[in-house]
Amino acid sequence: NAGVTQTPKFQVLKTGQSMTLQCAQDMNHNSMYWYRQDPGMGLRLIYYSASEGTTDKGEVPNGYNVSRLNKREFSLRLESAAPSQTSVYFCASSVRGALLSLHFGNGTRLTVT
Amino acid sequence: GESVGLHLPTLSVQEGDNSIINCAYSNSASDYFIWYKQESGKGPQFIIDIRSNMDKRQGQRVTVLLNKTVKHLSLQIAATQPGDSAVYFCADLNTGANSKLTFGKGITLSVRP
Repeated sequence: NAGVTQTPKFQVLKTGQSMTLQCAQDMNHNSMYWYRQDPGMGLRLIYYSASEGTTDKGEVPNGYNVSRLNKREFSLRLESAAPSQTSVYFCASSVRGALLSLHFGNGTRLTVT
Repeated sequence: GESVGLHLPTLSVQEGDNSIINCAYSNSASDYFIWYKQESGKGPQFIIDIRSNMDKRQGQRVTVLLNKTVKHLSLQIAATQPGDSAVYFCADLNTGANSKLTFGKGITLSVRP
């Protein structure tokens, strides 16, 4: 099992460009999450999907949209990238909202110039 | 407000020594406290958790201590090995109606050969 797979690993965007970060898990988990990790700060929740067909805002949702494509896949879209969105993005999954047992992907490092 | 933070940004220890990583938290209502390990270029990995009604929990080479009086959490790693070099961060989990996981900032553990 691959666990949680994120693509791409690295991405550089110019301000105003759009892109979609992909995430897939093969653990049959119900819940999926998107976090961002910035220097000097803890991981912050952007959006989450408690189960297939539902999505909810987290702590820092502005500038992002998500799609829970199916049980396996949860994508994060930046419609118009800004330098403030330069960060490392992590996708995670868990069994039905069990935040105590999150499984993280290896991240996407995004730079917006 | 709620916050989870680490006292020191870096910790350097000699291989074979014991490591102690400390964390302060502010949310008295948290139900669980969790330690994560993050190796370079990878996502966070669960190490150990402790329920708020416990003082101590042991795992394989790791021990977590919880002092609710002073809102302090520590991770002890016995016989530190080069493979323990990573960023460690704590998190607190409130499992109430609006379940929330709050991450600390992270401390780098460097193991000297």
